[in-house]
Amino acid sequence: QVQLQESGPGLVKPSGTLSLTCTVSGGSISGDNWWCWIRQSPGKGLEWIGEIHHSGKKNYNLSLKNRLAISLDKSKTQFSLSLSSVTAADTAVYYCAREDCRGGSCFYNFDSWGQGTLVTVSS
Amino acid sequence: QSVLTQPPSVSGAPGQTVTISCFGSSSNLGSGYDVHWYQQLPGKAPKLLIYSSTNRPSGVPDRFSGSKSGTSASLAITGLQADDEADYYCQSFDSSLSVPYVFGTGTKVTVL
Repeated sequence: QVQLQESGPGLVKPSGTLSLTCTVSGGSISGDNWWCWIRQSPGKGLEWIGEIHHSGKKNYNLSLKNRLAISLDKSKTQFSLSLSSVTAADTAVYYCAREDCRGGSCFYNFDSWGQGTLVTVSS
Repeated sequence: QSVLTQPPSVSGAPGQTVTISCFGSSSNLGSGYDVHWYQQLPGKAPKLLIYSSTNRPSGVPDRFSGSKSGTSASLAITGLQADDEADYYCQSFDSSLSVPYVFGTGTKVTVL
């Protein structure tokens, strides 16, 4: 049973950079799956941020693309999120999640989630 | 940026059946993309409840069932129980927007 755990600062100053890491355990980070970031704020509900595959391929939410970077470290079985120039609108609970991919196909859903971490943007 | 529309709330007494609707468009559900459903208990992460419109992951009771037709989908909860009280979200793939994965607006289920 794969488990995901987010870690990182809970408070970021406006115009700063939000950085989070997701540690994957109980499963391979180098399989078929894509690894995703999703956030949830009261004003905008659930929002997909972006995803990365162990091959290095990435897909980003175009509305965040100019501020967003996602990376993956196979040796540490971790993937990370960096969101720059943050404002109060970026305050949310951030989740890491695994996209359901099996046998070479992906099913466009998220079958495992971390517990989530609240990031507040405030001075 | 929710493009899937759900009713804000539904309620029912224990043992009853409640149904949650999810309305999409021609760029997501209407294009044949599957709908997926998540249950979010208070203070917890979403949990996959139904995938590919009608399938339950291992461990999900058969009281939960999903269906999809055209640009809409539904989640039914039969034999409603107190611990079904949660927020429920639909989700699909969308071919037209800047974000490929879209979620519903969410529905709060209250057990009376």
